[in-house]
Amino acid sequence: GENVEQHPSTLSVQEGDSAVIKCTYSDSASNYFPWYKQELGKGPQLIIDIRSNVGEKKDQRIAVTLNKTAKHFSLHITETQPEDSAVYFCAASIGDSGGGADGLTFGKGTHLIIQP
Amino acid sequence: DTAVSQTPKYLVTQMGNDKSIKCEQNLGHDTMYWYKQDSKKFLKIMFSYNNKELIINETVPNRFSPKSPDKAHLNLHINSLELGDSAVYFCASSHGREVFFGQGTRLTVV
Repeated sequence: GENVEQHPSTLSVQEGDSAVIKCTYSDSASNYFPWYKQELGKGPQLIIDIRSNVGEKKDQRIAVTLNKTAKHFSLHITETQPEDSAVYFCAASIGDSGGGADGLTFGKGTHLIIQP
Repeated sequence: DTAVSQTPKYLVTQMGNDKSIKCEQNLGHDTMYWYKQDSKKFLKIMFSYNNKELIINETVPNRFSPKSPDKAHLNLHINSLELGDSAVYFCASSHGREVFFGQGTRLTVV
């Protein structure tokens, strides 16, 4: 099955600086790569996603890049703010509907800490 | 509010008990899921349910059983609870690729 590796496990950056989280996946058939933000005591919230026919996608301060050949994708957050502090998860899936029977395969998460 | 909602938010119970967690989505989605998040925050799928077709992750013990009375609900029943079942359980739903999660149920088995 799919295996998703995520690094780093903890990332501390100064407010206003950029943060980058990297993930690799093993199954070349994976074609959908979402990123989730989880705040303390809450469920994961979808913040951005990318499909395998796109190399980069941007939404305000966040962007995701995908390298299909190398099987890795990254989350970039610019001009970080205190409210960006959370655990971020990357995920991968195959198919057209939420990952289908196999669902989403998640990375182990990155605890992002924004230092004031 | 449109959302995936699950109850209860917290559940503390003794070993050996049977318990249920309820989940409802009003998003009109056709697929629902249960995920488990362990103490190290690792998220792993337990079940997916679509049009009465249930797909079970092979690692899930048969003490866990999802039940769907209708398209908007997918409840999780757990029999003979064990200490190792302590975790946060998330219900989720999707229509297409985007998966939306509920707020989670923190289950503590003592």
